[in-house]
Amino acid sequence: EADIYQTPRYLVIGTGKKITLECSQTMGHDKMYWYQQDPGMELHLIHYSYGVNSTEKGDLSSESTVSRIRTEHFPLTLESARPSHTSQYLCASRDPGREKLFFGSGTQLSVL
Amino acid sequence: QQQVKQSPQSLIVQKGGISIINCAYENTAFDYFPWYQQFPGKGPALLIAIRPDVSEKKEGRFTISFNKSAKQFSLHIMDSQPGDSATYFCAATSGGSQGNLIFGKGTKLSVKP
Repeated sequence: EADIYQTPRYLVIGTGKKITLECSQTMGHDKMYWYQQDPGMELHLIHYSYGVNSTEKGDLSSESTVSRIRTEHFPLTLESARPSHTSQYLCASRDPGREKLFFGSGTQLSVL
Repeated sequence: QQQVKQSPQSLIVQKGGISIINCAYENTAFDYFPWYQQFPGKGPALLIAIRPDVSEKKEGRFTISFNKSAKQFSLHIMDSQPGDSATYFCAATSGGSQGNLIFGKGTKLSVKP
């Protein structure tokens, strides 16, 4: 079983603040993903990475950015948070050669 | 364009009953169809998955039925239990480990005691 960690678990911030959501995995997976989950339920892919120094935008346009300097670390940054960014952000990683995704517990972001 | 359509949005089932969630897809290149289960406050976790070379896959009380010609697949939960109450997502992908999963909108299942 993969271990994938997200911090913080909850974050409430004011408009205009810069924030970084942390995601780390200990299984050495090359592929990592960020999903945005609407208050209802739907999952939208916003960023993914196939390895160090590789980042791509997902299907849903997002004002956030990501970096992948180390295999185990895939942080997501919002330079200037807005209320429209309020959502749950889920990080995931993937077994090499397999389709199975392992998800973290998510960060619930509220921008006031 | 929603490539994976899931229904119903919510479902209430009595304990011991059968829960059925349906998904339809459009892209005939999809070749892997997983179901993920998500409990409140947790990330989704893989429950069961199927490939189009079989019409059914069963793991315990959970069964996927797959209809390639209709481009539909469904999750059946037999003898539903209150502990099965969660949100269920179907998904699809192609391209093996290179493809990205496309998720349905989810179904919130409540199993009443």
